Amino acid sequence: GAVVSQHPSRVICKSGTSVKIECRSLDFQATTMFWYRQFPKKSLMLMATSNEGSKATYEQGVEKDKFLINHASLTLSTLTVTSAHPEDSSFYICSAGPPSTDTQYFGPGTRLTVL
Amino acid sequence: GIQVEQSPPDLILQEGANSTLRCNFSDSVNNLQWFHQNPWGQLINLFYIPSGTKQNGRLSATTVATERYSLLYISSSQTTDSGVYFCAVLNTGTASKLTFGTGTRLQVTL
Repeated sequence: GAVVSQHPSRVICKSGTSVKIECRSLDFQATTMFWYRQFPKKSLMLMATSNEGSKATYEQGVEKDKFLINHASLTLSTLTVTSAHPEDSSFYICSAGPPSTDTQYFGPGTRLTVL
Repeated sequence: GIQVEQSPPDLILQEGANSTLRCNFSDSVNNLQWFHQNPWGQLINLFYIPSGTKQNGRLSATTVATERYSLLYISSSQTTDSGVYFCAVLNTGTASKLTFGTGTRLQVTL
């Protein structure tokens, strides 16, 4: 099956700093990738759709200036949490799917802790 | 938007038991996937099943799209089956955006 990687797997940072999370499709190209957020014991909530070569599409209630998304190539999307605060602490997961399929494959996730 | 509800929310089984997990959705869908989220958070694809029945080892799934539900069957459960099971649907016309269900937390004990 298709493989999606994320880096880093875990990050701890101080309040006010910015953190960049990378999502890569390893064996296929993806014009679209998706970023999700998951709070403890909750389901995944879609944050935004990352579009290669164009602006990301954000879901209602997600601050685009807080969560910057860049999809600069067909295999890489990045999510930058800017000026992070403790309430941004969460598990962030990306997904992508091979062309011409509806099936989504998920990265292993990034656990962000903001002190 | 589409609503996706799963039941039961929590399930405790003894090793070897069978179980059925249910996913109800409120609108027509183009795609339905079942995932297992392991204790480390990784989502593992189980089935892509917009309709019909599929089987993979001890797991099988059935989706009845016209009645807006899907079932995941786990037979002869093992401790490694523990974790959270999610269904996720692709609503018609939403360009590959998956909506996740509420999840079923499964614990398999010895």
